[in-house]
Amino acid sequence: GDSVTQMEGPVTLSEEACLTINCTYTATGYPSLFWYVQYPGEGLQLLLKATKADDKGSNKGFEATYRKETTSFHLEKGSVQVSDSAVYFCALRTGGYQKVTFGTGTKLQVIP
Amino acid sequence: ETGVTQSPTHLIKTRGQQVTLRCSSQSGHNTVSWYQQALGQGPQFIFQYYREEENGRGNFPPRFSGLQFPNYSSELNVNALELDDSALYLCASSTRTSGSDTQYFGPGTRLTVL
Repeated sequence: GDSVTQMEGPVTLSEEACLTINCTYTATGYPSLFWYVQYPGEGLQLLLKATKADDKGSNKGFEATYRKETTSFHLEKGSVQVSDSAVYFCALRTGGYQKVTFGTGTKLQVIP
Repeated sequence: ETGVTQSPTHLIKTRGQQVTLRCSSQSGHNTVSWYQQALGQGPQFIFQYYREEENGRGNFPPRFSGLQFPNYSSELNVNALELDDSALYLCASSTRTSGSDTQYFGPGTRLTVL
């Protein structure tokens, strides 16, 4: 079945440091890939997405590139801020209905 | 355009009881999916409703059931509650428009089973 594996957290970075959160997936067919963010006490918000190989999703300074050959969708940001502290979920969607399969989440803490 | 809303925000029940959670989908969305997010885990797909019919189900027992109404709002019902049902329940709405497969999530209902 479909699955998503993302790096264990928590990740602690100083403000303005570079961020990479690794995500790899296993899926039948050609999935759409997503990164969702969950701020403390809140629900999930879509951060970015990519729907086909070599697409790059970007939003709020975050980027991720759909790599079919390595089945990866790593999240990157060049300079993190304290406000980026949250839990980040990598996810995919395949199939005739819109079930989304999530990774276990990576907690990011950015310190001033 | 209103987003996805869920009620109640928090709920405390005891083992064996029944609970109903509610979700109003985003305007223009005809598909609702429900997820269970245990503490420290990613959301797990429970089921999806499209045009008032269940359209896909995850690995959850039949005591998890749902409804979708003509206005596309939805309910999640859980019977015979167990301690392991304690979790954040998320509702997500979407639309089956070609080229659009993004689900928009509500803030969730935190269920505690004692």
